[in-house]
Amino acid sequence: DTEVTQTPKHLVMGMTNKKSLKCEQHMGHRAMYWYKQKAKKPPELMFVYSYEKLSINESVPSRFSPECPNSSLLNLHLHALQPEDSALYLCASSQGGTGAYEQYFGPGTRLTVT
Amino acid sequence: ELKVEQNPLFLSMQEGKNYTIYCNYSTTSDRLYWYRQDPGKSLESLFVLLSNGAVKQEGRLMASLDTKARLSTLHITAAVHDLSATYFCAVDTRFRGSNYKLTFGKGTLLTVNP
Repeated sequence: DTEVTQTPKHLVMGMTNKKSLKCEQHMGHRAMYWYKQKAKKPPELMFVYSYEKLSINESVPSRFSPECPNSSLLNLHLHALQPEDSALYLCASSQGGTGAYEQYFGPGTRLTVT
Repeated sequence: ELKVEQNPLFLSMQEGKNYTIYCNYSTTSDRLYWYRQDPGKSLESLFVLLSNGAVKQEGRLMASLDTKARLSTLHITAAVHDLSATYFCAVDTRFRGSNYKLTFGKGTLLTVNP
C-alpha cells in the first residue's frame, strides 16, 4: 500500500468552531508532515513528526495543533481559525530517520473558514 | 536560507511545440523533485532525480539534474492540452536538526493551447 489518505476532502468551518483533519499511511513510514498551500502559492511546511517527535515551523500560529497518536496516524486540530487560514492542507509521509527521503503526498483537505 | 527559483512562472504554449522549464536552487543538494498539480488537486510526483547527471523521461516530459550548476530542467516535447497544469520543482532542506522538509519553487503555470 503506497497511499496516504486524508479526511475530510472538504471542510467548511466558522471561526469559533473546533475541527480536526486526519491523515493515515500504512507504508511503515516513520515521518509525517503537514503542509499548507494557499491559492497560487507553493506548499509550505507546518509540522513534522519523525519517530513521533514533533518539530514545528515557528511561523505557524497556535490555533493549529498537530497530534501523532501513532506512527501511522496524524491529526491536525483546528481552533479559532481565521479566514486567511483557508487553504489546501496536505499531509505527506516518508521513511524517516537519518537523511532525506522521498515524501508521499495525500489528496489534501480543502479548508474554508467563514 | 535555501532559495528555489523557477522560470518561467507562466508559460503559454501551442500544441506540438517544445519548451523547457528551469529550476535553480541556492545550496548543495543531490536530490530534486518535480511535481504536477491540477487545479484544486494535490501534488502528483513526476520525477525524483537522485544524483548529478540524472535524466528521466516519462511520455512527453523529460527531467535532468546538474548538481554542480544547481540546475534542473523539465523539457516538454510536442505539448498536448492534457499537459496544462502547474509544475513545481522542490529540494530537500534540512529542518530542525535531522529532519528534512521540501522547499518548493513558486511553480510554473503551463497552458497548452490548440
